[in-house]
Amino acid sequence: DADVTQTPRNRITKTGKRIMLECSQTKGHDRMYWYRQDPGLGLRLIYYSFDVKDINKGEISDGYSVSRQAQAKFSLSLESAIPNQTALYFCATRSSGGKTEAFFGQGTRLTVV
Amino acid sequence: GENVEQHPSTLSVQEGDSAVIKCTYSDSASNYFPWYKQELGKRPQLIIDIRSNVGEKKDQRIAVTLNKTAKHFSLHITETQPEDSAVYFCAVWMDSSYKLIFGSGTRLLVRP
Repeated sequence: DADVTQTPRNRITKTGKRIMLECSQTKGHDRMYWYRQDPGLGLRLIYYSFDVKDINKGEISDGYSVSRQAQAKFSLSLESAIPNQTALYFCATRSSGGKTEAFFGQGTRLTVV
Repeated sequence: GENVEQHPSTLSVQEGDSAVIKCTYSDSASNYFPWYKQELGKRPQLIIDIRSNVGEKKDQRIAVTLNKTAKHFSLHITETQPEDSAVYFCAVWMDSSYKLIFGSGTRLLVRP
């Protein structure tokens, strides 16, 4: 089945370290998103991309960067991780035409100590 | 800017009762309103959605209503069952910005 895959699923890292979360999809969608989930705050948009040349900041982009290496791959980086970036991170994809459902990856639980 | 407010944050109902979750949004250009269910430890999954040219949509025990004038939409679950226990998110899609913005979530607990 076509899917959205995130790696790693869990990660513990130290303050100040650089870390990359990866997302790949086999759905053939052109739109990809990174969200952060914190208890009581829902899903907040970090960055989104419409194709490899089109990257846009979301609501909470400070402290994060992204790279769209190919239509199927969208990576999220924390250049210098800090404890308040401890959260559950989700990648999502969506088609630009026709059906508008967004599909989520399994999530990456990141802990910064 | 875009804003989506969701209420209540937690909801506890007896099995068999109905549950209603409400969301309001700020951008009148919004035209697509999905609802996602997230079970513990899992990814959010779409359960029902509605477009701005429709006022109500039903799928078995789940229904969504939309009032574009008032900029609010609601999820209705009838005859609730323990397996309905989860976190529910409303979301709003805006063609003007191509963003999908989520509400803060409602934790629904269905007591057997």
